[in-house]
Amino acid sequence: NAGVTQTPKFRVLKTGQSMTLLCAQDMNHEYMYWYRQDPGMGLRLIHYSVGEGTTAKGEVPDGYNVSRLKKQNFLLGLESAAPSQTSVYFCASSLSGTVQETQYFGPGTRLLVL
Amino acid sequence: DQQVKQNSPSLSVQEGRISILNCDYTNSMFDYFLWYKKYPAEGPTFLISISSIKDKNEDGRFTVFLNKSAKHLSLHIVPSQPGDSAVYFCAASDYGNNRLAFGKGNQVVVIP
Repeated sequence: NAGVTQTPKFRVLKTGQSMTLLCAQDMNHEYMYWYRQDPGMGLRLIHYSVGEGTTAKGEVPDGYNVSRLKKQNFLLGLESAAPSQTSVYFCASSLSGTVQETQYFGPGTRLLVL
Repeated sequence: DQQVKQNSPSLSVQEGRISILNCDYTNSMFDYFLWYKKYPAEGPTFLISISSIKDKNEDGRFTVFLNKSAKHLSLHIVPSQPGDSAVYFCAASDYGNNRLAFGKGNQVVVIP
């Protein structure tokens, strides 16, 4: 039982390049989330999904797209990377969307956009 | 504008002593509060939570206190252990919204 895994762990991009971050969970959770963490700031929600085939915007969705084609996977895409997207990205999942339901986080993807 | 604020970004404490982390929030709709712990190169892990109907919740060495009138909560770790050295995030939400608002985190260093 791996929990939540993220691929890749680290990536360097040039401005304007695109990439996809992959999140996978093996806990059969319905809800999945993408956050970003910047120095001096807490985690901020980018997008989330309440189930397979559904996605919704979070607090900072601009510049990102997501897809949830399979229940266990949640993909975060950057179509045209910008230096402002340099951050650490965390994926999380939870069994349901109630606040009492623990969110389980992956180890993070560190992204540097030059 | 941050709705959850954690000042005093770092704390050093001797092993065996108490660690106290503070968190303030501005949104009066928040009624569920959580603390997450994060080690380097790992994702945050859930530590303890408290509902607004309580003013205290205890789990082993960890206790969270909530003062709703002051919009303030605190996390007490006693006794502190070297393995508690980590970044601690305060988070809040309301029951009608499954989205968490996080503070920026407090670094705790426990000195053996």
